[in-house]
Amino acid sequence: DQQVKQNSPSLSVQEGRISILNCDYTNSMFDYFLWYKKYPAEGPTFLISISSIKDKNEDGRFTVFLNKSAKHLSLHIVPSQPGDSAVYFCAASGVEIQGAQKLVFGQGTRLTINP
Amino acid sequence: ETGVTQTPRHLVMGMTNKKSLKCEQHLGHNAMYWYKQSAKKPLELMFVYNFKEQTENNSVPSRFSPECPNSSHLFLHLHTLQPEDSALYLCASSYDRGPTNEKLLFGSGTQLSVL
Repeated sequence: DQQVKQNSPSLSVQEGRISILNCDYTNSMFDYFLWYKKYPAEGPTFLISISSIKDKNEDGRFTVFLNKSAKHLSLHIVPSQPGDSAVYFCAASGVEIQGAQKLVFGQGTRLTINP
Repeated sequence: ETGVTQTPRHLVMGMTNKKSLKCEQHLGHNAMYWYKQSAKKPLELMFVYNFKEQTENNSVPSRFSPECPNSSHLFLHLHTLQPEDSALYLCASSYDRGPTNEKLLFGSGTQLSVL
């Protein structure tokens, strides 16, 4: 059973507009959420995170919103730029394995920004 | 470049071959991970090592054999693989524990094709 789900495999947005990527989770024990960005032929890179004690975290053009009651988080990118075209993975953690964090990932959303 | 280096970048092997994937980091991280990324699937955690000790084996078939000789190096030994094992294999590392250390640093991955 998939604990972290990104139901949109792809999203296409016009340059300058807002991109909204969504993520749902099922495990109420998750207490920390992250977004990773992946370009082709590269590994995922950390983008932004949010703790479950917050409902919003902002970093420049990127904002993550967390709705714990709905077990839903979203990533907003505004304004969207062509360099934002990538695959975005949502991840959640809350299970620690002897000091090492176990992240559970969604299946990713491919974002394409059109000029 | 994140500081997590994986070799080789690409690997093609037959089902009877034996090969090894290598990962190294000199960031002082104590935890190292192997993830598998198949097309349109979430990143799947395979193994976790913390201070050279394996702390997680996520029901991975025995044809995948990890080795962690020290905190800086991680190997994934492959033998008698199946075509469905073709995927991107990602190594990651992290330091210590806690919310601020949940940001995994990923390598660029090894794209494996099993013929």
